[in-house]
Amino acid sequence: DQQVKQNSPSLSVQEGRISILNCDYTNSMFDYFLWYKKYPAEGPTFLISISSIKDKNEDGRFTVFLNKSAKHLSLHIVPSQPGDSAVYFCAARVNFGNEKLTFGTGTRLTIIP
Amino acid sequence: DAGVTQSPTHLIKTRGQQVTLRCSPISGHKSVSWYQQVLGQGPQFIFQYYEKEERGRGNFPDRFSARQFPNYSSELNVNALLLGDSALYLCASSSDTYTEAFFGQGTRLTVV
Repeated sequence: DQQVKQNSPSLSVQEGRISILNCDYTNSMFDYFLWYKKYPAEGPTFLISISSIKDKNEDGRFTVFLNKSAKHLSLHIVPSQPGDSAVYFCAARVNFGNEKLTFGTGTRLTIIP
Repeated sequence: DAGVTQSPTHLIKTRGQQVTLRCSPISGHKSVSWYQQVLGQGPQFIFQYYEKEERGRGNFPDRFSARQFPNYSSELNVNALLLGDSALYLCASSSDTYTEAFFGQGTRLTVV
């Protein structure tokens, strides 16, 4: 049962344009969401997060949008840079009890120079 | 400041053997979690420890066990290794519950 889904395995975007990565979830108990970036042979790096009480969180070039009614979140990167080429994971957590993160399967983003 | 460190970085074991993976959290972080990532999938939660107590366990067999030490470092043990245990094992630490988790570089385990 895949509770967090990233339906696009890969995405290619021209340098300087906007990259939009999408994530859907099914568990309505999730109330905290995170995006991680992963390069080969490295662990995931935390990028940005959002609580379910917000619908937008911005940090520099990265913005995360949350639509609770649709159980959908997206990560916008603008402008996209070559160093953004990596695999991006969406993760979700229920904010009580333990810190279990439920991850999606990832989207490989390639920025074309 | 040092990030989360894991050792070893790579490991090859034979089916049926036992393995111990080690994790040192970021200084001051009391929570450590373990994840398994197989190729093409996202990380899967195995355990979380906070202040040396198990706070959560994922859907893994009893061959998987872990512990946390007084200095908050942690070990993950896997007994009776199977070929399917081949994966990247990730450790994450956080300063307290409900804060962002920071990951180490992982231990790549290959079972042959």
